[in-house]
Amino acid sequence: KAGVTQTPRYLIKTRGQQVTLSCSPISGHRSVSWYQQTPGQGLQFLFEYFSETQRNKGNFPGRFSGRQFSNSRSEMNVSTLELGDSALYLCASSLASGAGNEQFFGPGTRLTVL
Amino acid sequence: DQQVKQNSPSLSVQEGRISILNCDYTNSMFDYFLWYKKYPAEGPTFLISISSIKDKNEDGRFTVFLNKSAKHLSLHIVPSQPGDSAVYFCAASLGIQGAQKLVFGQGTRLTINP
Repeated sequence: KAGVTQTPRYLIKTRGQQVTLSCSPISGHRSVSWYQQTPGQGLQFLFEYFSETQRNKGNFPGRFSGRQFSNSRSEMNVSTLELGDSALYLCASSLASGAGNEQFFGPGTRLTVL
Repeated sequence: DQQVKQNSPSLSVQEGRISILNCDYTNSMFDYFLWYKKYPAEGPTFLISISSIKDKNEDGRFTVFLNKSAKHLSLHIVPSQPGDSAVYFCAASLGIQGAQKLVFGQGTRLTINP
């Protein structure tokens, strides 16, 4: 069974630009969560999507948004990029939403904002 | 507000000995706790979890202990092997209206010395 895939793996953007990251969950998984990993803050929850609906959202500004398609693939978008947005963005999928559902992580997209 | 804390950024253990990784949390509403292992350039990999109604869960060389009164959990690895060298993240699950949000600690880098 293929794991969670994320594209692109690496991305370099400049301040003020916008970026879209993509995540394909494990086949059959309907929940997709996004996390931001930075050296200072560790892994921080961005949002979770289940059946094309955002179920949960972390404490990030409105510049961070996402969506999920009917095939459970998900995208996240960051507009008006800032230097502090440089991070590893991780996507995780699980069979269902709710506590106890094991999340499987993709390798991440490394975003560098110059 | 760091709800999940791993106070040791790094730990060095001799091969064959026990590795003990610690994690503290502040929110008594967390209902599930998980440990993830992360190698460079890869996403976190699920290791072991424990429900808040239990105090111990064992899986091979890995045992997780939960002390709810102290809001503390620990991961024991016995015996430690060189392949265990990685960054270990403690995570706590918060179920909100059927959705799941994982709150991660900042990670502990474990190095197993031969």
